[in-house]
Amino acid sequence: EAGVVQSPRYKIIEKKQPVAFWCNPISGHNTLYWYRQNLGQGPELLIRYENEEAVDDSQLPKDRFSAERLKGVDSTLKIQPAELGDSAVYLCASSFSSAETQYFGPGTRLLVL
Amino acid sequence: KQEVTQIPAALSVPEGENLVLNCSFTDSAIYNLQWFRQDPGKGLTSLLLIQSSQREQTSGRLNASLDKSSGRSTLYIAASQPGDSATYLCAVKRSNTGKLIFGQGTTLQVKP
Repeated sequence: EAGVVQSPRYKIIEKKQPVAFWCNPISGHNTLYWYRQNLGQGPELLIRYENEEAVDDSQLPKDRFSAERLKGVDSTLKIQPAELGDSAVYLCASSFSSAETQYFGPGTRLLVL
Repeated sequence: KQEVTQIPAALSVPEGENLVLNCSFTDSAIYNLQWFRQDPGKGLTSLLLIQSSQREQTSGRLNASLDKSSGRSTLYIAASQPGDSATYLCAVKRSNTGKLIFGQGTTLQVKP
């Protein structure tokens, strides 16, 4: 069974440029999560989806970050414009429900210059 | 606000040694606690999950304990191997559907 797929794996951009990350969860998983992991820190939740509905986006910086999960499957996380402090690893995870075990993708490593 | 702390931040041991990783949390009202492993450039893999009513969980050479009243958990690794080298993260959940709150991790290096 395929795990959580993320792309791209690495991205280098200049500040003020836009960037987007894509996540394909495990088939059948209704809950999808986006996390940000800064160097030397644990992941922090940005947003959680139940199917296509964002049920917890309290930690998402809404002035520059946006996310969508069309049709309740794939999801895209966007940053516009990117700032130097956005350099981090962006992890996607999915689970059957928010009460079940989360399975993590390999992440997208973003470097903003 | 729940805070999760892991000590030490890094640990280097010779192969074969038994070792303990520590995790502490400030709010004892947790639903469960989970230990994850993260290899460089990869996502997180769940190792052990302890429900709030449990005291410990074991999987192979790994044993995790939970003392909710004191806000502590330990991950014991027996007979460490170079393949155990990775970052180990603990995370707590406040409720069944709540979000995971992670510690900053302990990076373990097991030298042959």
